[in-house]
Amino acid sequence: DAGVIQSPRHEVTEMGQEVTLRCKPISGHNSLFWYRQTMMRGLELLIYFNNNVPIDDSGMPEDRFSAKMPNASFSTLKIQPSEPRDSAVYFCASVRDRDTEAFFGQGTRLTVV
Amino acid sequence: RKEVEQDPGPFNVPEGATVAFNCTYSNSASQSFFWYRQDCRKEPKLLMSVYSSGNEDGRFTAQLNRASQYISLLIRDSKLSDSATYLCVVNSFGTGNQFYFGTGTSLTVIP
Repeated sequence: DAGVIQSPRHEVTEMGQEVTLRCKPISGHNSLFWYRQTMMRGLELLIYFNNNVPIDDSGMPEDRFSAKMPNASFSTLKIQPSEPRDSAVYFCASVRDRDTEAFFGQGTRLTVV
Repeated sequence: RKEVEQDPGPFNVPEGATVAFNCTYSNSASQSFFWYRQDCRKEPKLLMSVYSSGNEDGRFTAQLNRASQYISLLIRDSKLSDSATYLCVVNSFGTGNQFYFGTGTSLTVIP
């Protein structure tokens, strides 16, 4: 298996632009997580899907952030409009079942200028 | 209050030293516990699960104290290759299957 695949790996955008991050979980995994990592705040859980349904989005910072999972093999995290404070590494992770290992993608390094 | 709290360090230790990391969690209903390792500019990867009875994997020993809501990781005979950030992870099933990560503890092993 190719593992969790995220795209793009790097994104540089101007403030105010829309940014879309993409994730393909490992086939057969039924839970998907989006995390944001910064030096100041560490790894923060943004939103969690189970069987394509958003279960907990309490970590989403504000309305500018939205996430979707239209099917079991694809999820997006969108920021509109983007701001410089959104600059971070965004990770996607998937889990097959309860009590098992979370596998991470390589992350998207977002820079908003 | 954060779900998982860790001392961020940094810990700078000489090769061969023994080093211990600690972590506390706030949800007493948490059911699964892990230590992840993250190398610079890489994604986190599972180092080891933490079992109630404590478990060992080579030079690494993990322990769980449910009464105190406390998890530890002990690294013996530190190697240069152990330099990384170690993340404490708690999986709470109360409202689903959520993995909460500590902010990580930075370790540098010095020659």
